[in-house]
Amino acid sequence: KAGVTQTPRYLIKTRGQQVTLSCSPISGHRSVSWYQQTPGQGLQFLFEYFSETQRNKGNFPGRFSGRQFSNSRSEMNVSTLELGDSALYLCASALVTDTQYFGPGTRLTVL
Amino acid sequence: QKEVEQNSGPLSVPEGAIASLNCTYSDRGSQSFFWYRQYSGKSPELIMSIYSNGDKEDGRFTAQLNKASQYVSLLIRDSQPSDSATYLCAVKVSNFGNEKLTFGTGTRLTIIP
Repeated sequence: KAGVTQTPRYLIKTRGQQVTLSCSPISGHRSVSWYQQTPGQGLQFLFEYFSETQRNKGNFPGRFSGRQFSNSRSEMNVSTLELGDSALYLCASALVTDTQYFGPGTRLTVL
Repeated sequence: QKEVEQNSGPLSVPEGAIASLNCTYSDRGSQSFFWYRQYSGKSPELIMSIYSNGDKEDGRFTAQLNKASQYVSLLIRDSQPSDSATYLCAVKVSNFGNEKLTFGTGTRLTIIP
């Protein structure tokens, strides 16, 4: 069974721009969660989508948004990028919420 | 108080010895607990999940859960250099019906040959 895939793997943007990241979950998984990982803060939960609905949300500003499509693929959007948004963005898929499997991540650098 | 706490390490263990990693959590109602391993530059991979008090063994790995004391631990027997990684403890936390997986900051483990 193919694992979680994320595109792109690396991204360089400048402040003020916006970015869209994509995640394709494991076949059959309907839950997709997004996390931001930085050396200082560790892994922080952004949001979770299940059957095209945002089911849970972390404590991030409204510049961070997401959506899920009918095939369970998910996208995450960050608008008006700030230097502090530089991080590894990970998505994880699960049949339900509990056992999550991570993708390889997208490394975002904001200049 | 952080929701999930781990000693950041680094923890150095000789090859062949037992590595012991600990994690405490604050939400007494938590029911699901996970250990992930993350190699440098890679994404976390699931090692173990545990839901009931006691021990759960999988190969060289044993997860231990004590809900009364609110801690979960991971033992790695016969440690190998390939076990050198950061180990993340994760707890499913519920807050007014909003459930999320909360991670500790991780313990960096180094196995010394």
